[in-house]
Amino acid sequence: EAQVTQNPRYLITVTGKKLTVTCSQNMNHEYMSWYRQDPGLGLRQIYYSMNVEVTDKGDVPEGYKVSRKEKRNFPLILESPSPNQTSLYFCASSLFPPGVTGELFFGEGSRLTVL
Amino acid sequence: ELKVEQNPLFLSMQEGKNYTIYCNYSTTSDRLYWYRQDPGKSLESLFVLLSNGAVKQEGRLMASLDTKARLSTLHITAAVHDLSATYFCAVDRRSRGSQGNLIFGKGTKLSVKP
Repeated sequence: EAQVTQNPRYLITVTGKKLTVTCSQNMNHEYMSWYRQDPGLGLRQIYYSMNVEVTDKGDVPEGYKVSRKEKRNFPLILESPSPNQTSLYFCASSLFPPGVTGELFFGEGSRLTVL
Repeated sequence: ELKVEQNPLFLSMQEGKNYTIYCNYSTTSDRLYWYRQDPGKSLESLFVLLSNGAVKQEGRLMASLDTKARLSTLHITAAVHDLSATYFCAVDRRSRGSQGNLIFGKGTKLSVKP
């Protein structure tokens, strides 16, 4: 089954404790992206990747890191989480970048709470 | 700064009625996407509009794009309860020379009541 898989789905952590949210897709998609969703703000892009070893900042990259060492995986790293990073995070992928007719396929979301 | 604005943000409809959700954007993008999100769920692609004048229909939903007016509409015909969800439009921002930066509207929360 074609899917985008995120882990963990739910996480409560404390300020400053490094964490990684994994994202994996099995569709051989070139493009992957991370978004955060906050009430009243919609979805905001954190980082995206056009292909292996190619990443770029979205609109809210501060406090996050990403890597794209393999085509299927695009982990989101919070080196020192803070309470303002409490949010619902979505990973998404598409065969082509969205600007080239690619519609996004979203993961199920990861709800992160930073105390 | 690119802005994507949806109207209305909240919409309560009766079953059987028609209504339109509007998505205005401030860049010259010619690609616009509509997504649906059910409560507590992920986002699902509804429509991909790739050119001026594009119109797509799926069931009771029809989306159109007017790139000159920088406006997309999502029209709901004879609403049913199953359409209750939050609908997002998204625009590709390519002004930085990249084709990977999608900007989403804040979403329109639709509630269809009997």
